[in-house]
Amino acid sequence: KAGVTQTPRYLIKTRGQQVTLSCSPISGHRSVSWYQQTPGQGLQFLFEYFSETQRNKGNFPGRFSGRQFSNSRSEMNVSTLELGDSALYLCASSLDGYTGNEQFFGPGTRLTVL
Amino acid sequence: AQSVTQLDSQVPVFEEAPVELRCNYSSSVSVYLFWYVQYPNQGLQLLLKYLSGSTLVESINGFEAEFNKSQTSFHLRKPSVHISDTAEYFCAVIHRNYGGSQGNLIFGKGTKLSVKP
Repeated sequence: KAGVTQTPRYLIKTRGQQVTLSCSPISGHRSVSWYQQTPGQGLQFLFEYFSETQRNKGNFPGRFSGRQFSNSRSEMNVSTLELGDSALYLCASSLDGYTGNEQFFGPGTRLTVL
Repeated sequence: AQSVTQLDSQVPVFEEAPVELRCNYSSSVSVYLFWYVQYPNQGLQLLLKYLSGSTLVESINGFEAEFNKSQTSFHLRKPSVHISDTAEYFCAVIHRNYGGSQGNLIFGKGTKLSVKP
């Protein structure tokens, strides 16, 4: 079974631009979560989607948004990029989104904002 | 609010020595507990988890962790480390929500384990 895939793996943008990151969950998984990893703040939860609905949201500004498609693939979008948005963005999928089910992580997309 | 504290940001150790990576959590509700490992330029991999039952949980590569409710701890241990164990280790909790939707993982800041020959 293929794991969680994220595209692109690396991205360089400039301040003010917007960016879209993609995540394909493990086949059959319906829950997708996004996390931001930075050296200063560590791993922080962005949001979770289940059956095309955002079910849970972290404490990030509205510039961060996401969506999930009917095939469970998910995208996250960051508008008006800031230098502080430079981070590794990790996506994780789980089977049915119930508490305690293992979340499987992708390799991440490393975003650099210049 | 829940929080996770990993007391050591870096742990250097010699090969074949024992190691303990410490994790404490604070929460007003019951939680599930996890340890994840991250190798350079890779995502997170689940090492082990505590959901219920025996408070001592083991991984397939020799790590173990013990849930201690009274001390709100979930320390990770290995009796003899290998060079290949060099990685960053993250402790995480999730709110135990019976029958409900999945909460989000709350991570500690991570502990970098460096195994030297």
